[in-house]
Amino acid sequence: EAGVAQSPRYKIIEKRQSVAFWCNPISGHATLYWYQQILGQGPKLLIQFQNNGVVDDSQLPKDRFSAERLKGVDSTLKIQPAKLEDSAVYLCASSQDRSSYEQYFGPGTRLTVT
Amino acid sequence: AQTVTQSQPEMSVQEAETVTLSCTYDTSENNYYLFWYKQPPSRQMILVIRQEAYKQQNATENRFSVNFQKAAKSFSLKISDSQLGDTAMYFCAFRMEYGNKLVFGAGTILRVKS
Repeated sequence: EAGVAQSPRYKIIEKRQSVAFWCNPISGHATLYWYQQILGQGPKLLIQFQNNGVVDDSQLPKDRFSAERLKGVDSTLKIQPAKLEDSAVYLCASSQDRSSYEQYFGPGTRLTVT
Repeated sequence: AQTVTQSQPEMSVQEAETVTLSCTYDTSENNYYLFWYKQPPSRQMILVIRQEAYKQQNATENRFSVNFQKAAKSFSLKISDSQLGDTAMYFCAFRMEYGNKLVFGAGTILRVKS
């Protein structure tokens, strides 16, 4: 079974530029999550999708961050414009459904904003 | 809001010895789930062990076991017969019974020395 795929693995941009991350969850997984992991901290949930609908985006900075999962499969997370404090690892995870206790994580995208 | 605290930023242990990682949490819920996740230097987060709050028996997975003290809101991870491959960041996480948003602690870096 293929795991959660993410790309790119690394990205360096200047502040005020835009960036997009892509995630392909495990096949058949209805629930998809985006986490932000700042160095020295635990992951923080940004947004959770159930199929193509948003379940929780309470911690997503909506003035600059957006995410979509149009066909209920893969997802993109965008930052526009980026700030220095957005430097972090962005983790994507998926689970079979909202009641599943186990989330499967991708390798993450390390973003550096200079 | 639920919070998870890991008070040990770093730990080290000799190969083949036993180490215990600490975690405390705060919640007013009665039923919930607790997890330990491992994040090796490659960054892919994997689930180590989980505990359902309604179960009195402590969970065990091979060399990994937990000491769950519900009244004290404590959830420690014991790793027996430590191996070099156990070197990683370990995160304690909390999830309410309904909904699968994970709340993570800040993590503990574990280094296993030969």
